[in-house]
Amino acid sequence: ELKVEQNPLFLSMQEGKNYTIYCNYSTTSDRLYWYRQDPGKSLESLFVLLSNGAVKQEGRLMASLDTKARLSTLHITAAVHDLSATYFCGETSGSRLTFGEGTQLTVNP
Amino acid sequence: DVKVTQSSRYLVKRTGEKVFLECVQDMDHENMFWYRQDPGLGLRLIYFSYDVKMKEKGDIPEGYSVSREKKERFSLILESASTNQTSMYLCASSSGAYNEQFFGPGTRLTVL
Repeated sequence: ELKVEQNPLFLSMQEGKNYTIYCNYSTTSDRLYWYRQDPGKSLESLFVLLSNGAVKQEGRLMASLDTKARLSTLHITAAVHDLSATYFCGETSGSRLTFGEGTQLTVNP
Repeated sequence: DVKVTQSSRYLVKRTGEKVFLECVQDMDHENMFWYRQDPGLGLRLIYFSYDVKMKEKGDIPEGYSVSREKKERFSLILESASTNQTSMYLCASSSGAYNEQFFGPGTRLTVL
């Protein structure tokens, strides 16, 4: 059974600070996905990590994948209020995605 | 850009009614999915489909059925709606080597 664990589940941070969200997953999959969800909205794809050592960056967000450790990280640099959302990671088995519980990020002024 | 649309953003139904939730994607994706999302329970897969007229149970299929008569359309059916099916329903589609899933806007269903 696939199992994806994110931590922390809740994160409150100040603007301008850095932080990392961790995603541990259970299989030997070499693909990992990150999504963002704003309150009341649907999920938006952020990153698709396709191989060990993959690193992708978009603005203040950077995602990386370590398949040996079965760990992906989402690093937030100099947070701004607009990054407040829930972030999900997901691992794949065939075409199915299994998602973590989500990390609810609040960036305070 | 991939576009996934869902027939309603908000829906209110009564217990015992038959409910149809429609999802349409415009990118010729093979795979389509239905999830429900509830506070504290995350996203749970109800059903998915790899091809027309093909369906597979997800993690919580009880009380639901699906239909995929055309490649672009995947319907979720609640045969007899119950209050515990009040939830946000999300449809997604994917294809290709990356299998990146693209989500529709969601339908917030309330069963009274």
